[in-house]
Amino acid sequence: ETGVTQSPTHLIKTRGQQVTLRCSSQSGHNTVSWYQQALGQGPQFIFQYYREEENGRGNFPPRFSGLQFPNYSSELNVNALELDDSALYLCASHVTDRREEAFFGQGTRLTVV
Amino acid sequence: GQQLNQSPQSMFIQEGEDVSMNCTSSSIFNTWLWYKQDPGEGPVLLIALYKAGELTSNGRLTAQFGITRKDSFLNISASIPSDVGIYFCAGRNTGNQFYFGTGTSLTVIP
Repeated sequence: ETGVTQSPTHLIKTRGQQVTLRCSSQSGHNTVSWYQQALGQGPQFIFQYYREEENGRGNFPPRFSGLQFPNYSSELNVNALELDDSALYLCASHVTDRREEAFFGQGTRLTVV
Repeated sequence: GQQLNQSPQSMFIQEGEDVSMNCTSSSIFNTWLWYKQDPGEGPVLLIALYKAGELTSNGRLTAQFGITRKDSFLNISASIPSDVGIYFCAGRNTGNQFYFGTGTSLTVIP
């Protein structure tokens, strides 16, 4: 039990739709990162939020966007869904200023049909 | 996005055998981490390494942070059936971004 919770656990969407995924970070952790994990691959870094600002971004298009709230929880929004967006989306929380590890949630399985 | 090279890609071993896997990168990292992931779950942290040359153990697991800061290895001694899973290395850079390896799938034969 990492203290990081994600919702929903599973989701099916149609191509072209928009989706919002949610993450509640572990208490005391002020940084949240989002990852996309396609089947059989390692997690790919999407972006990171620190104190409600985007603080780093991987190689993902602008239709992937996010928010972090004052309580450090976060949302990942994906617009204009494509079939290739089908993946496990993982949220991780960690404290930026300290040498602490990232703690992952159980993920949201998104299927785009 | 950046991805670390992890080897081997898969391993099939007998229960009781030792396991070794490694991870290399073209970039320097400040932290190396090793995770284990079971199907349908998020990665679970096994070991974290913070200094070049550091050797850290967690039970039957031992990991080292390479002196060049571009590599790390993980050893599992006396493997047991519950060690089955996919092991990922991850590097954390100065921008506090994490990059994951390609994964090593471990199968332990009883």
